[in-house]
Amino acid sequence: GAVVSQHPSWVICKSGTSVKIECRSLDFQATTMFWYRQFPKQSLMLMATSNEGSKATYEQGVEKDKFLINHASLTLSTLTVTSAHPEDSSFYICSARDFQDSGNTIYFGEGSWLTVV
Amino acid sequence: DQQVKQNSPSLSVQEGRISILNCDYTNSMFDYFLWYKKYPAEGPTFLISISSIKDKNEDGRFTVFLNKSAKHLSLHIVPSQPGDSAVYFCAASSGNTGKLIFGQGTTLQVKP
Repeated sequence: GAVVSQHPSWVICKSGTSVKIECRSLDFQATTMFWYRQFPKQSLMLMATSNEGSKATYEQGVEKDKFLINHASLTLSTLTVTSAHPEDSSFYICSARDFQDSGNTIYFGEGSWLTVV
Repeated sequence: DQQVKQNSPSLSVQEGRISILNCDYTNSMFDYFLWYKKYPAEGPTFLISISSIKDKNEDGRFTVFLNKSAKHLSLHIVPSQPGDSAVYFCAASSGNTGKLIFGQGTTLQVKP
């Protein structure tokens, strides 16, 4: 079946530094990928929609200059948390939709734990 | 504004019995609904979905029911197994966008 892979699974970074998380669709092409964030005991919150070859669309309240999203190819989207702070520590999850799939199936990555110290 | 709500944060069921997880939504534009299962520190795993043109979809032990007039859907798991213990999220989408709005999740515990 379709697989979405995220890397890294775990990352610890110092406050003020930037960290990049990759999201890859391994056996299908995804014109659109989505980035979610989940804080402990809370729901998954959509942060932004990543469109291949164009600018990402951010949800209300999400700082686009802080969470840089690049979707340079049909199989890769990256989320860069810039100038990370401890409050950015969270579980970040991407998802992707197979644009050749007539259904609405969306595949999720395994998630990436970010801890900012 | 929480467009998708799961009002029960947790549910405990005995193995072999039925688990019923509920989800309510407010946006009448939602036309596709999904249930995901999630283990700690892992991404969600798709379970089952239903289009708004249907009121029931069944896949093995999992059945999703949709009541559009009440803006309510439910996931039935029968018989429940200990391996079903996880957090279950319902999610909704509109207009074939692929963008999902999630509920808060319900933690299901199936006791042996």
